[in-house]
Amino acid sequence: EADIYQTPRYLVIGTGKKITLECSQTMGHDKMYWYQQDPGMELHLIHYSYGVNSTEKGDLSSESTVSRIRTEHFPLTLESARPSHTSQYLCASSENIGGQGLSDTQYFGPGTRLTVL
Amino acid sequence: KQEVTQIPAALSVPEGENLVLNCSFTDSAIYNLQWFRQDPGKGLTSLLLIQSSQREQTSGRLNASLDKSSGRSTLYIAASQPGDSATYLCAVYVYQFYFGTGTSLTVIP
Repeated sequence: EADIYQTPRYLVIGTGKKITLECSQTMGHDKMYWYQQDPGMELHLIHYSYGVNSTEKGDLSSESTVSRIRTEHFPLTLESARPSHTSQYLCASSENIGGQGLSDTQYFGPGTRLTVL
Repeated sequence: KQEVTQIPAALSVPEGENLVLNCSFTDSAIYNLQWFRQDPGKGLTSLLLIQSSQREQTSGRLNASLDKSSGRSTLYIAASQPGDSATYLCAVYVYQFYFGTGTSLTVIP
């Protein structure tokens, strides 16, 4: 059973608010990811991290930012939320096999469904 | 850029039937391929992972195959049950995961 947690599960906020979506894992995985998923659409990678102090942007451009100060924690922040940010945000983690950028099984959290009014 | 396609987009079968879900990808230079299931409003659960050197993986009633040269993978579900109803996603890994849009499966009791 994977141990990866996301809070909050649901969030409804007004335009212009600053929000932070939390993601934590207890498996000691080096690699962590944030995906955005709109209904009926594929997951798009918006951020990833190879380890502490490592953050990279994914293929899908996002106004959000991330930080990786501790191995187990990978929060995502929106400085000023807009209705276009309404989506489901999924966090995942995986082991980094052989240190060569390869990856093993991804484990996902339950997701945060964000609605910006 | 890697593109992943899943066919069909939706599938409805009676309980007990065997079924096959298809996944195709455009770039065969992948490290591995992973099948997931997603239940409504929830995250993804990993079902099977096939490394690029492997041709298939099995777990219980599930069997996944990989043909890198043709850019295809299949997920075979034997003796389907209503509890198998979910969206099934495949993802290929080339330094990051690329996901398909999924096949929505409904198993009718």
